[in-house]
Amino acid sequence: GAVVSQHPSWVICKSGTSVKIECRSLDFQATTMFWYRQFPKQSLMLMATSNEGSKATYEQGVEKDKFLINHASLTLSTLTVTSAHPEDSSFYICSAIGVTVSSGNTIYFGEGSWLTVV
Amino acid sequence: RKEVEQDPGPFNVPEGATVAFNCTYSNSASQSFFWYRQDCRKEPKLLMSVYSSGNEDGRFTAQLNRASQYISLLIRDSKLSDSATYLCVVNAGGFKTIFGAGTRLFVKA
Repeated sequence: GAVVSQHPSWVICKSGTSVKIECRSLDFQATTMFWYRQFPKQSLMLMATSNEGSKATYEQGVEKDKFLINHASLTLSTLTVTSAHPEDSSFYICSAIGVTVSSGNTIYFGEGSWLTVV
Repeated sequence: RKEVEQDPGPFNVPEGATVAFNCTYSNSASQSFFWYRQDCRKEPKLLMSVYSSGNEDGRFTAQLNRASQYISLLIRDSKLSDSATYLCVVNAGGFKTIFGAGTRLFVKA
């Protein structure tokens, strides 16, 4: 089945630095990928929709200058958390939609990236 | 009203119990429906798709009622390993996908 890979799984960085997280669709092309954030014991929150070859679409309240998204190819989207602060510490997950005959559009998630800003 | 609403939980059940999760959605044009399972500190993983005719996979049964805009997931003979958060996911066409807040399940020995 479709696989989405995310890297790194864990990252610790200092306040003020930037961190890049990669999301790859391994065996299918994804013109659209999604980035979520999840705080402990809370539900997934959609941050932005990443579109190949064009600008990402950000959800209300998400700063596009802080969370830079680049979708340069059909299999890779990156999220860069710029000038990270401790409150940015969270679980970041990407997803892509694969199409199957039986289920239609199905969401496949990356393994997630734990970001800790110290 | 939220677009996708689930039981708030958590559910605490003994091993062997049968547990049912409910989910309602507001967009009648929704096309695809899924249950995802999310373990602590992990990404959500597809548990099963939900079809109008109902579908079963081992101890898990999913039902969809389009008229009532209602989805359910039934887990029979629950195991300790079933402890997780169960997410109801609705696709309203194209890439518009809405997640429920999830219902946490604790299965205890």
